[in-house]
Amino acid sequence: QVQLQESGPGLVKPSETLSLTCTVAGGSISSYYWSWIRQPPGKGLEWIGYIYYTGTTNSNPSLKSRVTISVDTSKNQFSLKLSSVTAADTAVYFCARHGPHVGWYNWFDPWGRGTLVTVSS
Amino acid sequence: QSALTQPRSVSGSPGQSVTISCTGTSSDVGAYNYVSWYQQHPGKAPKLMIYDVSKRPSGVPDRFSGSKSGNTASLTISGLQADDEADYYCCSYAGSYTFGFGGGSKLTVL
Repeated sequence: QVQLQESGPGLVKPSETLSLTCTVAGGSISSYYWSWIRQPPGKGLEWIGYIYYTGTTNSNPSLKSRVTISVDTSKNQFSLKLSSVTAADTAVYFCARHGPHVGWYNWFDPWGRGTLVTVSS
Repeated sequence: QSALTQPRSVSGSPGQSVTISCTGTSSDVGAYNYVSWYQQHPGKAPKLMIYDVSKRPSGVPDRFSGSKSGNTASLTISGLQADDEADYYCCSYAGSYTFGFGGGSKLTVL
């Protein structure tokens, strides 16, 4: 059973770059699509972007200019960088897989447990 | 502002049924049969409950069902149980390999 684990700094200063990694355990990152999704405290979910194991990406138009998503198949990991952060980027960040099999699916399962990133000086 | 509109709260008594709506546009919910629903208990990761409008993943009770009419999708939970109390989020494919989520609905089991 594949498991996802987010990791990275829990505190980032305003205007700096938020960097997170999602490690995939119990399965291969190859041939699947993977997404980042965030949830500000007490608020709803927001899709950030996805990556395919080949490196193909796309992101939410509202965040596109600040988002970079990359993959390292040798480490079975994919990463998120969000630049020029503000307090509005404070959120729990989740990583998730698209669907149960190889290829494109329009739902997310499973999810990581999430990691809280606070933007504050 | 969320891409999709959900009621902020819904409630029902044990054994009853509740329906949560999710309203989008002709560019997302209305255009594709790719609506999914997630259950989230406090402090936990979301859990997939429904995908492709009305399909249930293995292990999800058949008390949970999904449907769609026009630009509005719905999640119905029948035979309410105490453990169903949680936040529920809809999500729709929005074209061009993007997604939108609803703002979430808090279900209270009275």
